[in-house]
Amino acid sequence: DAKTTQPPSMDCAEGRAANLPCNHSTISGNEYVYWYRQIHSQGPQYIIHGLKNNETNEMASLIITEDRKSSTLILPHATLRDTAVYYCIVRILSGGGADGLTFGKGTHLIIQP
Amino acid sequence: EAGVVQSPRYKIIEKKQPVAFWCNPISGHNTLYWYLQNLGQGPELLIRYENEEAVDDSQLPKDRFSAERLKGVDSTLKIQPAELGDSAVYLCASSWHRDTEAFFGQGTRLTVV
Repeated sequence: DAKTTQPPSMDCAEGRAANLPCNHSTISGNEYVYWYRQIHSQGPQYIIHGLKNNETNEMASLIITEDRKSSTLILPHATLRDTAVYYCIVRILSGGGADGLTFGKGTHLIIQP
Repeated sequence: EAGVVQSPRYKIIEKKQPVAFWCNPISGHNTLYWYLQNLGQGPELLIRYENEEAVDDSQLPKDRFSAERLKGVDSTLKIQPAELGDSAVYLCASSWHRDTEAFFGQGTRLTVV
C-alpha cells in the first residue's frame, strides 16, 4: 500500500468546518483512499472512502484531487465529539497487495469550544 | 445490532505468564482481523482470517503469539509467555468481506508487569 502523509495535529473551532489534508503522492490507479477515526479509548471507526470521485455521506465529505495525489476530509460542522485521531489510508481492494488496513500516525484533530 | 465484542477490556499480568483475548465479530462477517496498537501509534495488523482460514499472518510473532478462529466465528489471540514489550491495546475488527469497511471492537488493554 502507498504511504500517506498527514499533519500530526490540527485545531478547529466548534461549529466550523474541519478540513483534514492527506498527501498520497505515490498512490496507484487501483488504490482507494480510506478515512478512519479513533476517539480516545475506542477502536477505529470507518468514515468514508473513494477512488477518484468526490464522496459524501452522513459523516463527512471526501475531496480527491484530479491527479489523486492528495485528498481532504471535510467535517462540515465540527462538534466536540469529533475530537479524535483521523487516519488517511490508501488500500488496494482485492487483487494484489495487502488487504489489511495500514495505519500511519494520523492527525490528532482537536475541536475547540 | 451488536458491534464487535472483545473481552476482557483490561488485563494486567506478570511477565512470562500466558494471556488470551477473545473476540466476537459482527454476525455474518466473514473477515476477522487482529491488530496491535502501541501508545501514540496507529494499529498494526497481526493476522487476518477469511472464515476459519488465516490468510495473512506474516506480522504475527509466531514464537509466542497464536490465534485461532474455530468455526469461522469467534476468535482468540494468545500470548505465551508474555513479555514487557507486549503491553499494548489489542484490537479485533470484522468485515462482511475483505473489501468492505472494517468495524472495530473497543480493544483489550494489556499491561505486562
